[in-house]
Amino acid sequence: EAGVAQSPRYKIIEKRQSVAFWCNPISGHATLYWYQQILGQGPKLLIQFQNNGVVDDSQLPKDRFSAERLKGVDSTLKIQPAKLEDSAVYLCASSPGTGETQYFGPGTRLLVL
Amino acid sequence: GENVEQHPSTLSVQEGDSAVIKCTYSDSASNYFPWYKQELGKGPQLIIDIRSNVGEKKDQRIAVTLNKTAKHFSLHITETQPEDSAVYFCAASDGGYQKVTFGTGTKLQVIP
Repeated sequence: EAGVAQSPRYKIIEKRQSVAFWCNPISGHATLYWYQQILGQGPKLLIQFQNNGVVDDSQLPKDRFSAERLKGVDSTLKIQPAKLEDSAVYLCASSPGTGETQYFGPGTRLLVL
Repeated sequence: GENVEQHPSTLSVQEGDSAVIKCTYSDSASNYFPWYKQELGKGPQLIIDIRSNVGEKKDQRIAVTLNKTAKHFSLHITETQPEDSAVYFCAASDGGYQKVTFGTGTKLQVIP
């Protein structure tokens, strides 16, 4: 069974530029999560989707971050414009449903200069 | 919201010794407590989890204990091996849509 796929794996941009990350969850998984992991910290949930609907986006900085999950499968996370403090690893995870085991992708490492 | 504290932040043990990592949580409604292992350059991987209707769960060399009254839970790794070296995260889920809040991580180093 293929795991959660993410791309790109690494991205370096300058502040005020925009960037987008892509996630392909495990086939059949209804729930998709985006986390931000700053160096030395645990992952912090940014947004949770159930199929193509948003369940929780309370910690998403909506003035600069946006996410969508069209057709309830793949998802993209966008940052526009990026700030220095956005430098982090962005992790995507999926689970069969809410409350079930989450499976993480390898993450996208973002460096904002 | 939920707050999860994790200790210690770093832990070094000799190969074959045991390692214990402790976490506390704040929300008494939390009912699901997973533990994740994260190796360098990889995403977290679930290693064991426990739900609030049990006090202890074992899986080979790994065990987790839960004290709901005190709101703390612990990870125990016995007979540690060099491949156990990684960062370990505890987490708690606050019910409802099962939003998971992670601890700050413990970097475990197993010395051969």
